[in-house]
Amino acid sequence: QTVVTQEPSFSVSPGGTVTLTCGLSSGSVSTGHNPNWYQQTPGQAPRTLIYSTNIRSSGVPDRFSGSILGNKAALTITGAQADDESDYYCVLYMGTGIWVFGGGTKLTVL
Amino acid sequence: QVQLVQSGAEVKKPGSSVKVSCKASGGAFSTYSINWVRQAPGRGLEWMGGIIPVFVTPNYAQRFQDRVTITADKSTSTAYMELSSLRYEDTAVYYCARGNEYGDPEHYINVWGRGTTVTVSS
Repeated sequence: QTVVTQEPSFSVSPGGTVTLTCGLSSGSVSTGHNPNWYQQTPGQAPRTLIYSTNIRSSGVPDRFSGSILGNKAALTITGAQADDESDYYCVLYMGTGIWVFGGGTKLTVL
Repeated sequence: QVQLVQSGAEVKKPGSSVKVSCKASGGAFSTYSINWVRQAPGRGLEWMGGIIPVFVTPNYAQRFQDRVTITADKSTSTAYMELSSLRYEDTAVYYCARGNEYGDPEHYINVWGRGTTVTVSS
């Protein structure tokens, strides 16, 4: 059973930089997993931020960037703003049409 | 711009089935993946399965393999997700989401419906 791991919670100061990660319980995340990142606020559908590791979705500000850091996928937010306070999810492609989501990270901006 | 419009909220009894629809408009349908993702109250996102309509055969997450059926009607650009043997813990918001086109070397899920609330209650 593949488990995708994310930090349960994180906090960042306004204007600061934060890096959220997305790993595997066994093995390393690579570009072949096509990491996607989503932002979700309560009661709303997820908003796509990043796909295929580092491609920003249309309309997403360049404060959001994706990468591979070591053996994990990473989402970096620079110049954090109050409305970045949300839940962030990654999803990894496992091949043959199968995807697995991470448990999500609750980001607090304070 | 592709839009996905989902069917309305449902209340179902334990042991019954629910079928949620997702109609795509504004873009191609048959060669793009449609995925189903659910979110139980206070919980995270969970991928249930997906289909590329032109290929008919869906893929399912192992934990839903025995209870979920995903289909697509190319003539109406509508995808369906049916979940059977409903349990109280199936109470959740069910999203459909469009992904990449078949053959695209990049894999993604990027256009989301607004979600359908399914409540399982006796």
